[in-house]
Amino acid sequence: GQSLEQPSEVTAVEGAIVQINCTYQTSGFYGLSWYQQHDGGAPTFLSYNALDGLEETGRFSSFLSRSDSYGYLLLQELQMKDSASYFCAVKSYQKVTFGIGTKLQVIP
Amino acid sequence: EAQVTQNPRYLITVTGKKLTVTCSQNMNHEYMSWYRQDPGLGLRQIYYSMNVEVTDKGDVPEGYKVSRKEKRNFPLILESPSPNQTSLYFCASSLEQGASNEQFFGPGTRLTVL
Repeated sequence: GQSLEQPSEVTAVEGAIVQINCTYQTSGFYGLSWYQQHDGGAPTFLSYNALDGLEETGRFSSFLSRSDSYGYLLLQELQMKDSASYFCAVKSYQKVTFGIGTKLQVIP
Repeated sequence: EAQVTQNPRYLITVTGKKLTVTCSQNMNHEYMSWYRQDPGLGLRQIYYSMNVEVTDKGDVPEGYKVSRKEKRNFPLILESPSPNQTSLYFCASSLEQGASNEQFFGPGTRLTVL
């Protein structure tokens, strides 16, 4: 089966940079995705890494190391609206497994 | 507008009373999936479908059924709901061959089984 580990909570200051790590164990790995979910809302897609390296999309970047079974989401220039839960997810063959989520609190 | 819709958004029912949660997408996506979300457990995949008439179990399929008779619809059926199926349910869809693997989620259905 698949399993993912990510921190349950992170607190960071507005304007700062925060990194949310994700380690995974899976077979038939296709790629690592990141989703954002605000309280009461649906998850929304942020990024996907199928190959090693860094993918940048505006203030958000995502990194993958397949050999280490590890990835991270980097959020720069944090804003109050970034307070949300962040989930990593792996697709293994056709099945998708999510981590338990990291609750990010941005403080002034 | 490209979207995934779910109905109902909220449902309170009693143990054993069969129910169906509908899911529909208008993006011509091949892949559709159902998840349940519970505090401290994240999102867990119940069932997924790679295309019409092709469905398979996710990590927590017990007590659920699905069907995929049309590409756009993927209903979730609880034949005999029990209190442990009280949860927040999300339907999602994605392009099977998409490079980004982006899943689009519906707004969620909050189900309470008494």
